[in-house]
Amino acid sequence: GQNIDQPTEMTATEGAIVQINCTYQTSGFNGLFWYQQHAGEAPTFLSYNVLDGLEEKGRFSSFLSRSKGYSYLLLKELQMKDSASYLCAVRDEGYSTLTFGKGTMLLVSP
Amino acid sequence: DGGITQSPKYLFRKEGQNVTLSCEQNLNHDAMYWYRQDPGQGLRLIYYSQIVNDFQKGDIAEGYSVSREKKESFPLTVTSAQKNPTAFYLCASRGLKRGQETQYFGPGTRLLVL
Repeated sequence: GQNIDQPTEMTATEGAIVQINCTYQTSGFNGLFWYQQHAGEAPTFLSYNVLDGLEEKGRFSSFLSRSKGYSYLLLKELQMKDSASYLCAVRDEGYSTLTFGKGTMLLVSP
Repeated sequence: DGGITQSPKYLFRKEGQNVTLSCEQNLNHDAMYWYRQDPGQGLRLIYYSQIVNDFQKGDIAEGYSVSREKKESFPLTVTSAQKNPTAFYLCASRGLKRGQETQYFGPGTRLLVL
């Protein structure tokens, strides 16, 4: 089975840096994904990690440690539009399905 | 630019009624997925299909049915056997888009029971 944990809510200030953690215990692993979801909208893809280390993409970075079952999403220079839910998802060994965490609601304040 | 469309955006169902949610993609992706999202529950997999004329149950398939007669289309029927159908339903397809292989989502259908 798959078990994915993320904090339920986080708050941060505009211009700051925030780190959203994700831990997982899965029967198989073939990559970890981060998605952003604004209220009432569809999730949009942010990042993908399959090897250990940091992947950087503009203001967003994602880190993976497979031995620790741990990932984080780092958001720099926070903007008000970054207020959203951030979903961590693990892909199964067969490349066929994703299992999602419950999401972390990030609120960015002025 | 290709994408995934879902219709309608809002759907109302009466007790005991079956309803069908539409999902169409023009990304030429083989695999398609249906998820249900409830507040505080994240996304849960209902059904998925990796190829035309084949599909598999996800974690919460009871009370739902699907078909995959065409590559572009993966409709979901919410049957009267689904006792708590009120939720946000998301369709996704998996493949390459701008060089990244992952699942890409449609805009969703919000289903409400009257």
